[in-house]
Amino acid sequence: EVQLVESGGGLLQPGRSLRLSCVVSGFKFDKFAMHWVRQVPGKGLEWVSGISFNSGAIAYGDSVKGRFTISRDNAKDTLYLQMNSVRTEDTALYYCAKDTRGWVSSPNWFDSWGQGTLVTVSS
Amino acid sequence: DIQMTQSPSSVSASVGDRVTITCRASQGISNWLAWYQQKPGKAPTLLIVAASSLQSGVPSRFSGSGSGTDFTLTISSLQPEDFATYFCQQANSLPFTFGPGTKVDFK
Repeated sequence: EVQLVESGGGLLQPGRSLRLSCVVSGFKFDKFAMHWVRQVPGKGLEWVSGISFNSGAIAYGDSVKGRFTISRDNAKDTLYLQMNSVRTEDTALYYCAKDTRGWVSSPNWFDSWGQGTLVTVSS
Repeated sequence: DIQMTQSPSSVSASVGDRVTITCRASQGISNWLAWYQQKPGKAPTLLIVAASSLQSGVPSRFSGSGSGTDFTLTISSLQPEDFATYFCQQANSLPFTFGPGTKVDFK
């Protein structure tokens, strides 16, 4: 069974940093691209970032470019999102999602999702 | 960025009804479109990829069609477990973008 378990969310002030983690099981992590997608509760979905199976290709959404960094450790079956200089508008539930393919190049769809970790940015 | 719109934003329906949801892209995306279902408090699940290809395990009452800029998701006979919010997602180009969602609720 495919499982993705996010952690690391919490309450933090604007301008601070946070690192999210996503530990996976049930599939060959080092074969698939991975993504972070966020959702303000009750609202829509926003793709945040994606990373290819070997970290050779990385992409970010415009709203987080230059502030967030995606990475992965294939030996630990773990995906990360380093969030720096957070803003109130970064408040959301952050999901990690498994791609159906290995590269971050179209098309990319997300066939397994974790349950999310909530990040709240407030002063 | 490619903007995605959906209509309607919500639809009230009954069990057994046929429900159609429309998704439109701001520019052509070929057939690089996916549909997701999300139930309250749960993560989204992937229903359809490449506009019309049903994911394994998804009931055949779900179908998708379209190409270019206009796409539809159809539920041929609504079942109780189908009451949820549905999102489309373009996979044609980065950054990947989602539609705002269509909520299907009880009439």
